[in-house]
Amino acid sequence: DAGITQSPRHKVTETGTPVTLRCHQTENHRYMYWYRQDPGHGLRLIHYSYGVKDTDKGEVSDGYSVSRSKTEDFLLTLESATSSQTSVYFCAISATRDRGVYEQYFGPGTRLTVT
Amino acid sequence: QKEVEQNSGPLSVPEGAIASLNCTYSDRGSQSFFWYRQYSGKSPELIMFIYSNGDKEDGRFTAQLNKASQYVSLLIRDSQPSDSATYLCAVRTGNQFYFGTGTSLTVIP
Repeated sequence: DAGITQSPRHKVTETGTPVTLRCHQTENHRYMYWYRQDPGHGLRLIHYSYGVKDTDKGEVSDGYSVSRSKTEDFLLTLESATSSQTSVYFCAISATRDRGVYEQYFGPGTRLTVT
Repeated sequence: QKEVEQNSGPLSVPEGAIASLNCTYSDRGSQSFFWYRQYSGKSPELIMFIYSNGDKEDGRFTAQLNKASQYVSLLIRDSQPSDSATYLCAVRTGNQFYFGTGTSLTVIP
């Protein structure tokens, strides 16, 4: 357990509305990530953060923005939700536990449905 | 584009047999390699990582890495029904992790 929580765990929203997902960690890890997981595509990186106010885009960043104002919180915002953003969203942290190898641990996920 | 390829399966093995899961990756600059297990409706759970050529064993699990062939594998010995899940291969390149689409494993009692 890497002390990662996500909220909400489930959400149904309408097309065109903004949505914010929250990831919270309790262990002061520097690196945090947002992924989406869809059948046939596996886990795809949306955005990641390497420190407070330091973020970078991933493979599928269009339509998403992120913010990290505190080490423990990483927010993912869908600015205007579309049906193609229906997915399961996972937050992850990266931490070194053995010989300096960065390992990645996941939160419980948020299931988002855009109608 | 960095790619991680896995056979999607499904792979079925009888209880007590060895399950063999395979993964190839495209970026020779990848630094470390991971296997995750994911049960339906749950988040991925880290099983093992490996970063140097050869074998690494942890209980019933053995990870194998061949950087020259850009190939990673996971062996599960004495497979149990509780091992039935999707197994994800991941590679780390720089600050990012890249995932395969997963192999579905079913262990038949």
